[in-house]
Amino acid sequence: DSGVTQTPKHLITATGQRVTLRCSPRSGDLSVYWYQQSLDQGLQFLIQYYNGEERAKGNILERFSAQQFPDLHSELNLSSLELGDSALYFCASSPGLAGGFYNEQFFGPGTRLTVL
Amino acid sequence: AQRVTQPEKLLSVFKGAPVELKCNYSYSGSPELFWYVQYSRQRLQLLLRHISRESIKGFTADLNKGETSFHLKKPFAQEEDSAMYYCALLDRGSYIPTFGRGTSLIVHP
Repeated sequence: DSGVTQTPKHLITATGQRVTLRCSPRSGDLSVYWYQQSLDQGLQFLIQYYNGEERAKGNILERFSAQQFPDLHSELNLSSLELGDSALYFCASSPGLAGGFYNEQFFGPGTRLTVL
Repeated sequence: AQRVTQPEKLLSVFKGAPVELKCNYSYSGSPELFWYVQYSRQRLQLLLRHISRESIKGFTADLNKGETSFHLKKPFAQEEDSAMYYCALLDRGSYIPTFGRGTSLIVHP
């Protein structure tokens, strides 16, 4: 167990809907990262937050947004959902600022989103 | 744009055989490269990073800038090495990581 938790584990919803995925980092970790994993695209970095502020942005669609709260948990909001948004969404946390790769990233178990 | 290519989706070997999981990258600067592993029913976890030049669980990876490769090697595969392996590159300017599609390693007894 990495100490990173994600809820819910599974989410089934319809096209056009909006969902919120939640991530709680390891105790003491200030950085949170979001990734999308799909059969089509593989593992794609979406966005990183450090201590409440956006740090790096990857291939995140405009329909998607994220934030990190004062207690350091993070939420990924996906709106106007499309069939192609069906994927496994991971979050990871790390102690550090420098992209987290100078400090090891600890991954959560993921949330499997199915859009019908 | 940076890119990471893992040409093999699946690699199947017998226990005790050498293993090489290939990773090629394209990047304009000096890359920061990593290998991640995901065992069955477990989370993705860091295996090793090129800057530390470490050997983890018998695996090593050498950065070859001339060939733009960062292949993962182990001289004698074990059954417990069966897992999904991902190569990743970090852009040092933006800190944006790019992952390869992954290689599934199966080690037969």
